[in-house]
Amino acid sequence: QKEVEQDPGPLSVPEGAIVSLNCTYSNSAFQYFMWYRQYSRKGPELLMYTYSSGNKEDGRFTAQVDKSSKYISLFIRDSQPSDSATYLCAMSEYRGATNKLIFGTGTLLAVQP
Amino acid sequence: DAGVIQSPRHEVTEMGQEVTLRCKPISGHNSLFWYRQTMMRGLELLIYFNNNVPIDDSGMPEDRFSAKMPNASFSTLKIQPSEPRDSAVYFCASSLSGGYQPQHFGDGTRLSIL
Repeated sequence: QKEVEQDPGPLSVPEGAIVSLNCTYSNSAFQYFMWYRQYSRKGPELLMYTYSSGNKEDGRFTAQVDKSSKYISLFIRDSQPSDSATYLCAMSEYRGATNKLIFGTGTLLAVQP
Repeated sequence: DAGVIQSPRHEVTEMGQEVTLRCKPISGHNSLFWYRQTMMRGLELLIYFNNNVPIDDSGMPEDRFSAKMPNASFSTLKIQPSEPRDSAVYFCASSLSGGYQPQHFGDGTRLSIL
């Protein structure tokens, strides 16, 4: 079993829809939770990060972490065609000076105009 | 600001050849990471450096792979000899160290081994 599981999709939604992306994990030591967005033929770019449990909102994006269920989510409100990309969750334990990230395999999202 | 710069962007070569991928991290960043991305396995960490010193190379698939960081502004990932199963997109990322710091990725090298 992988440490981080993510539904690969693809997920296709109409413009304006609310999108829910999810990951589950098995390592209870994970403390930092991130979402990266990756456009085709580009590197991943950090979208949001949270520490421990709770919610974090940034514009149309909301990240949720439920450590008791080992489950994280990213919600996108009023989705736009420009949101079409692969979304990768990533997690890490904090160990000293450097964070080693474990990534999910990514969910491909297509927002149809 | 210049981001992480990787070269070449694309590499096509025949099995058995040596392949060298290059990375220039963001100036001031002292942690550097090499990843490999495939459809089947997603994004996998191969090795990471802190202050030019390799910290964890447990993700390096086998002895055919080696990585160096001779100074703070340059790193290489070498595959010798290359095999078709090495075909993937290889990413370099850099970050500041200490606590949580976000990793910034380059646009990758798309490697095809024929």
